[in-house]
Amino acid sequence: QSALTQPPSASGSPGQSVTISCTGTSSDVGTYKYVSWYQHHPGKAPKLMIYEVSKRPSGVPDRFSGSKSGNTASLTVSGLQPEDEADYYCSSYAGTTVFGGGTKLTVL
Amino acid sequence: QLQLQESGPGLVKPSETLSLTCTVSGGSIGSSTYYWGWIRQPPGKGLEWLGSIYYSGSTNNNPSLNSRVTVSADTSKNEFSLRLSSVTAADTAVYYCARSGLGAAAGVFFYWGQGTLVTVPS
Repeated sequence: QSALTQPPSASGSPGQSVTISCTGTSSDVGTYKYVSWYQHHPGKAPKLMIYEVSKRPSGVPDRFSGSKSGNTASLTVSGLQPEDEADYYCSSYAGTTVFGGGTKLTVL
Repeated sequence: QLQLQESGPGLVKPSETLSLTCTVSGGSIGSSTYYWGWIRQPPGKGLEWLGSIYYSGSTNNNPSLNSRVTVSADTSKNEFSLRLSSVTAADTAVYYCARSGLGAAAGVFFYWGQGTLVTVPS
């Protein structure tokens, strides 16, 4: 499996929505529903935000949502808040786990 | 509350073997419900999954590192370990241990340690 492709950066103003894409192939994202998203504040442990494309673990605000179309998965953060500024990583599981390169989300 | 804590040398010489241990509290690595894995992040780069182990001792490693990575577990100590052989400066990274689920959730890491920086000088 090759690394998934994410845009290096994304930004939005407080209250706005931003969507981060994650592109894989028909061998991973396109075929399986096992796409996850992690939020990573530097110096801290990554935090699971979305799993199985669109499921939220307990405690994750419903401002975070996930979807998938074809070989591309997406994470949407609605109602941006300053604390959402972080790096976001997608991952896919197809027998082994592969991560995306990460997207730095800036809240303007 | 499940907690994971990485430990090990912060500096490893080139060509030597990197060894890290993850001590688990608030849960048992002997549970049949989870996998226990290692992920790393080189400076300025993204996350990379290294390998995972099931309580039975069954392991699954990243194919790109397969021959260099060994993940093992000691259920009596409730800890699992990573060994990465023949390290180079490219192995400098923050190393995380984490817990994932089973089946399709084997690639979903619900709990993470805080990470430990390992430096391999060039």
